[in-house]
Order: sequence, then structure tokens, then C-alpha cells
Amino acid sequence: EAGVAQSPRYKIIEKRQSVAFWCNPISGHATLYWYQQILGQGPKLLIQFQNNGVVDDSQLPKDRFSAERLKGVDSTLKIQPAKLEDSAVYLCASSYLGGNSPLHFGNGTRLTVT
Amino acid sequence: GESVGLHLPTLSVQEGDNSIINCAYSNSASDYFIWYKQESGKGPQFIIDIRSNMDKRQGQRVTVLLNKTVKHLSLQIAATQPGDSAVYFCAESDTGNQFYFGTGTSLTVIP
Repeated sequence: EAGVAQSPRYKIIEKRQSVAFWCNPISGHATLYWYQQILGQGPKLLIQFQNNGVVDDSQLPKDRFSAERLKGVDSTLKIQPAKLEDSAVYLCASSYLGGNSPLHFGNGTRLTVT
Repeated sequence: GESVGLHLPTLSVQEGDNSIINCAYSNSASDYFIWYKQESGKGPQFIIDIRSNMDKRQGQRVTVLLNKTVKHLSLQIAATQPGDSAVYFCAESDTGNQFYFGTGTSLTVIP
């Protein structure tokens, strides 16, 4: 099966600019997650979708981050305006049965904010 | 948030030896655990999982042990190979459908 696809692979922006990341999950996976991974740390959940509905966005900095999954398949994560501390790898993952089945990760987007 | 931590941030082993990577968790309600391997520039890759109704599960060259009494999880890799060099994460999930990840252990295999 095709894996989780993410684009772009790398992005360099200046602080206060905006950026968007795209994710296409594994076909048939209803649950989609966005994680932030800062260098040297484990992934930290930003938002979880079940189909096109938000299950948990409690750790999403909503003043600058937004995410959508309008048709229950692809998802977009946006940051506006970016801060230096947003430099990280943004990982998208999907699973078939939410927290009861393994997460399958994409290779992430490495964001550098200068 | 939940506390999922690893005892050792780095581990170096000789090629051919067995590796043991440990993980402590704090949420007694966690009922599903996964080990992931992450190579540089890639996303975490599923290795093996275990549910709370089991205490041991084996895969190809890997074994996961779960001790619910002390809330401890370990990953054993037999006959460690250079290709096993990576960062290993444990992740736990409770009935809330969320996965919490530890900090990770960097495994280096010495040829």
C-alpha cells in the first residue's frame, strides 16, 4: 500500500511569514494526526482528525496554527505568522482505528524559520 | 499530558550483540503500546506493538516486554546490525485515542 505522503520536504521562511504543509494519508485511514517534532525530542501531537472532524486540538497554538481536513482525506496544516520556535519537523500520521491501531507516518516537512 | 520517558538517551552496542531499550510510562490507563524506529530524515517507522492484556510479544529479531506492575516497557533487538542504528521511541495510547511519545533513545551499532 502507498504510505503517507507529505509535501514539501523542506521549507525555509522568515519569521512572521506564513507556510502551509500538505498531507495525504493511507487510503482507508479515517484518523489523521499532525505532530510537531523538535530536534532531539519525541513527536508532540498538534491535532487529531476523525474523518473531517476534529477529535483533539488542545495542544494546537490556535493563535497561529490552523488545520483542516475538508473532505475527510487530505489535510493541510498552516502557520501564520511563523515564529523562530516553530522550527521543527511536522509529521503527518494516519491510522485505521485511531488509538487502537498503529500510526503510519510520512517523512515529514522540515521547517526552518529564520 | 502523559509522561512517557526513556531511561537512557543513548546506547552503543557491538554488532551481533543484543540490545535492550527501556521505556517508563506513568498512565496506568494506557492499554496499547508501540515501538517506533526513526532514521535520520525519515518519519517514525512501526516496529512492534503490544496490548495491555499481554506481557510479551515477539517479532523478527525483536521482542517487546510489558510490565504493567511497574509501568515499564522494553524493546529487545537480537543480533543487532548496523542497519538498526536509529532513534527508538516508545508510544502509549489510552482509551482517549491519543498516542504519547517518549523522548527517544539513540542506538549506535559499532561494526
